[in-house]
Amino acid sequence: SAVISQKPSRDICQRGTSLTIQCQVDSQVTMMFWYRQQPGQSLTLIATANQGSEATYESGFVIDKFPISRPNLTFSTLTVSNMSPEDSSIYLCSAELGQGTGELFFGEGSRLTVL
Amino acid sequence: GQQVMQIPQYQHVQEGEDFTTYCNSSTTLSNIQWYKQRPGGHPVFLIQLVKSGEVKKQKRLTFQFGEAKKNSSLHITATQTTDVGTYFCAVQTGANNLFFGTGTRLTVIP
Repeated sequence: SAVISQKPSRDICQRGTSLTIQCQVDSQVTMMFWYRQQPGQSLTLIATANQGSEATYESGFVIDKFPISRPNLTFSTLTVSNMSPEDSSIYLCSAELGQGTGELFFGEGSRLTVL
Repeated sequence: GQQVMQIPQYQHVQEGEDFTTYCNSSTTLSNIQWYKQRPGGHPVFLIQLVKSGEVKKQKRLTFQFGEAKKNSSLHITATQTTDVGTYFCAVQTGANNLFFGTGTRLTVIP
């Protein structure tokens, strides 16, 4: 099974600053997905990171707030820009191995607290 | 947009009791997946159901896909403390993105 590594695992940030989360997959994958999970809530899809093209954002999420990079088939970053306390959440990177099962593997998550 | 509701939101059971969570969609689904998230952990894939009326078993877990492919259930027989966590159903849209249900948080009392 794929291993997905995220960093940082957690961080405490000041209002107005930006933080970039890195996600590394140990095998090449076509699509990578970024989710947000607020405390006690379900997972909400932020965007799909496509290699070689711009990310596809879900309703309610915009590139200026959550810029995403996907430089190659094993790596992606998500930046949370101009943070406010409402951005305090766990951010999860995920990927499908491409075996046709649709199964998503997740990273351990990055827990951000914005003061 | 896609609406996927799960009930109940929370469930507390005594160890050894059974547990069931239900997932309901507003639209007909091509397939449905189930994930488990332990406290402090990340979601882990359990199973995917594709066929109408499909029933799959994994040890004490039984998964069912409704005949109309709009609902699904996960049943755990004789719960154990290791079953604690939140169970999510998840559905794919036409764009192959996966949307998660609201989840059912299971607490097992020893």
